[in-house]
Amino acid sequence: GDSVTQMEGPVTLSEEAFLTINCTYTATGYPSLFWYVQYPGEGLQLLLKATKADDKGSNKGFEATYRKETTSFHLEKGSVQVSDSAVYFCALLRDSNYQLIWGAGTKLIIKP
Amino acid sequence: DAMVIQNPRYQVTQFGKPVTLSCSQTLNHNVMYWYQQKSSQAPKLLFHYYDKDFNNEADTPDNFQSRRPNTSFCFLDIRSPGLGDAAMYLCATSNPLQVRTEAFFGQGTRLTVV
Repeated sequence: GDSVTQMEGPVTLSEEAFLTINCTYTATGYPSLFWYVQYPGEGLQLLLKATKADDKGSNKGFEATYRKETTSFHLEKGSVQVSDSAVYFCALLRDSNYQLIWGAGTKLIIKP
Repeated sequence: DAMVIQNPRYQVTQFGKPVTLSCSQTLNHNVMYWYQQKSSQAPKLLFHYYDKDFNNEADTPDNFQSRRPNTSFCFLDIRSPGLGDAAMYLCATSNPLQVRTEAFFGQGTRLTVV
């Protein structure tokens, strides 16, 4: 069945460090891929998305490229800030029943 | 402008006392979802509506029910909350007619059972 695997957290970085959070997926067909972010006590916000192979999603300095050959959608940011501390979820959209399949989430902690 | 609104943000209920959480949307989306989320784990889908068609996940306890009286509103009813039902409850919407669209989430309702 369809699945999403994310690197385990927490990931702890210093401010201005480079960030990578790995995400790989297993799916039939060509799903859309998403990164959602959840700040403490809040709901989920879409951070970025990509709908086909080689698409690059980007927002707020974050980027992720849909790599069909490696079935990956890794999240990157060149210089993280304390305000980026949150939980990040990778997800795919199953077209057959319009449901999201979620990764386990990665908690990111940025220290000043 | 908020597009998916959940009320209340925080709800405290007594063990065994029925409680209702509400969700409204201004997006006119066909699909509305209810998720349960514990401790920053991945959200767990409880059920969803496609228009008025109700779809229950196989492992959703009977204690959880839902109503969707119209396109804009959806309710989650917990008939007899137990301590294990304390969680964040997330409502989301999507429009499958819009190819490859994302789901839009509300701010969530944090449920505490005492």
